[in-house]
Amino acid sequence: GAVVSQHPSRVICKSGTSVKIECRSLDFQATTMFWYRQFPKQSLMLMATSNEGSKATYEQGVEKDKFLINHASLTLSTLTVTSAHPEDSSFYICSARPGTFSYNEQFFGPGTRLTVL
Amino acid sequence: AQSVTQLGSHVSVSEGALVLLRCNYSSSVPPYLFWYVQYPNQGLQLLLKYTSAATLVKGINGFEAEFKKSETSFHLTKPSAHMSDAAEYFCAVSDPNTGNQFYFGTGTSLTVIP
Repeated sequence: GAVVSQHPSRVICKSGTSVKIECRSLDFQATTMFWYRQFPKQSLMLMATSNEGSKATYEQGVEKDKFLINHASLTLSTLTVTSAHPEDSSFYICSARPGTFSYNEQFFGPGTRLTVL
Repeated sequence: AQSVTQLGSHVSVSEGALVLLRCNYSSSVPPYLFWYVQYPNQGLQLLLKYTSAATLVKGINGFEAEFKKSETSFHLTKPSAHMSDAAEYFCAVSDPNTGNQFYFGTGTSLTVIP
């Protein structure tokens, strides 16, 4: 149980285009989902926290107009990178937290490798 | 805010040798603690977690970690390294009082030498 999927696993796009990444909790309802960014050989950096049905909370330094997050249902959150540029190339990982939990565990997706040409 | 320190960004061990990956946290209250493993181009897989029950936690693949409040540590160990253990390991902490964010360490890359 507690499986999180991401789609696509890899995406290559041209500079200036927008890319949407989906994060789904397959066998549980996730009231909260998180989006992380990971640069090569570095740790995960939290970008934003999204709660179902409400606006996402962005971490300091993350452009909310560039990284649009939608958490429309208890099993789906999307991250849209708008007008992508090469510096947006990175590994994006989502995680989901079940609606009922006792220790804050997050379940992580397999990640999406974004390459902007 | 919480912080997590992983001493040693790179650790090399011989196959069959003890694996010790260090993690220290800063918190005024006992947090929840996690160890994750990441293989190249993959997401994070949970190895084990401490949630205020037993201080010695056993995880998957023969890994275990001990929560030591006096040392604010949660070091990861495995008695005998296997080639398949070569990966990136992340320690993470979450504060049960704030109920929200995970704080990750900078990661330790484990190399296993045949």
